[in-house]
Amino acid sequence: QVQLVQSGAEVKKPGASLKVSCKASGYTFTDNHIHWVRQAPGQGLEWMGTVNPSGGYTTYAQKFQGRVTMTSDTPTLTVYMDLSSLRSEDTAVYYCARGFTGGIRDLFDSWGQGTLVTVSS
Amino acid sequence: EIVLTQSPGTLSLSPGERATLSCRASQSVSSNYLAWYQQKPGQAPRLLIYGTVSRATGIPDRFSGSGSETDFTLTISRLEPEDFAVYYCQQYGNSPLTFGGGTKVEIK
Repeated sequence: QVQLVQSGAEVKKPGASLKVSCKASGYTFTDNHIHWVRQAPGQGLEWMGTVNPSGGYTTYAQKFQGRVTMTSDTPTLTVYMDLSSLRSEDTAVYYCARGFTGGIRDLFDSWGQGTLVTVSS
Repeated sequence: EIVLTQSPGTLSLSPGERATLSCRASQSVSSNYLAWYQQKPGQAPRLLIYGTVSRATGIPDRFSGSGSETDFTLTISRLEPEDFAVYYCQQYGNSPLTFGGGTKVEIK
């Protein structure tokens, strides 16, 4: 079955950078985009962007342009999300999620377990 | 950017009752590409409905979706104890992908 396993919780200081990993299994890694969605405490869901593991092409939400980088490593079936210049408002649970249809604009049929990131001085 | 507004914010119902959740878009959702997710505390969201009306694999038929263009509805015909959760709509017809603010279905 499809499984996405994310790296563990992180505590970061303002201004630092973050790298979260998402290891996929149970399907052909290059067939589906991986998206990143975050959820601030007690808040709703926010799409950050997506990476196509077949070729590494990325599309980012405008809000995160210049601060986020999403990459994929096919041999290890792992996708990474880097977020720089962290501020307190970046405190959230970060999810990776598999795109259902394979396009850039997509819905999400499998999700990672989430990675809690706390940004605090 | 398409803004999705969900209502009500909270729905207080008893098991066995019918739940009707609304999702209104600020502009027409392309090809009715509208999905619904369920999220329980401490868990990742789970896909329920896609393409406005199609149930995801393993989703019971008490969940149904309807609507078009800017007005969409998720109906739970008879609430089971495990259905009390937060529900989000999401549009994937336009970039950026956007979610509604959520409706919490709580036990009355």
